[in-house]
Amino acid sequence: KQEVTQIPAALSVPEGENLVLNCSFTDSAIYNLQWFRQDPGKGLTSLLLIQSSQREQTSGRLNASLDKSSGRSTLYIAASQPGDSATYLCAVSADRGSTLGRLYFGRGTQLTVWP
Amino acid sequence: ETGVTQTPRHLVMGMTNKKSLKCEQHLGHNAMYWYKQSAKKPLELMFVYSLEERVENNSVPSRFSPECPNSSHLFLHLHTLQPEDSALYLCASSPGTGTGAGGELFFGEGSRLTVL
Repeated sequence: KQEVTQIPAALSVPEGENLVLNCSFTDSAIYNLQWFRQDPGKGLTSLLLIQSSQREQTSGRLNASLDKSSGRSTLYIAASQPGDSATYLCAVSADRGSTLGRLYFGRGTQLTVWP
Repeated sequence: ETGVTQTPRHLVMGMTNKKSLKCEQHLGHNAMYWYKQSAKKPLELMFVYSLEERVENNSVPSRFSPECPNSSHLFLHLHTLQPEDSALYLCASSPGTGTGAGGELFFGEGSRLTVL
């Protein structure tokens, strides 16, 4: 069974710092990897989707990389802001032949950016 | 209208009650999902519907009964729940059908359920 681990579990930084959030998965046979953001009491907002054939994706101050063979992904947040405070979740989708839309989630990294 | 809308946002029910959670997607997607997020576990897939046909029941107890009348609407009917069923129930949709990833998943805001 696919296991997804996110490190660190929590992170507290001052505004302006560049951050790296880590995600690892045990089975490299993935179809894609998705990073989400979750604010307290809210649903999930998709940030970036990386297909298994891709190495990275960028959106604004966010950059996600994927090393499928080693089972790792990183989410890089540049010039962090207090509004970035949230829980960041990493999820992988199993390879073709698996159940449609089955994502395996990590427990998340709870990020706090203070002014 | 936001992409995926869930109602109610909060629900408190007793163990003998019957209630339903509703999800509606305005994205023209073909697949819809129920996920469960409890405090002690990572998000877990419960049910998958592809073109209104259930394609997955992830060993979910029968006290949870999904219904998908069309590709835009998804319900989760609840009856005789247990306190340990208290959790955030998230609905999601994606463009694709069939096996495999189905494309990017878009989630609703969730329904926070408390079972007394």
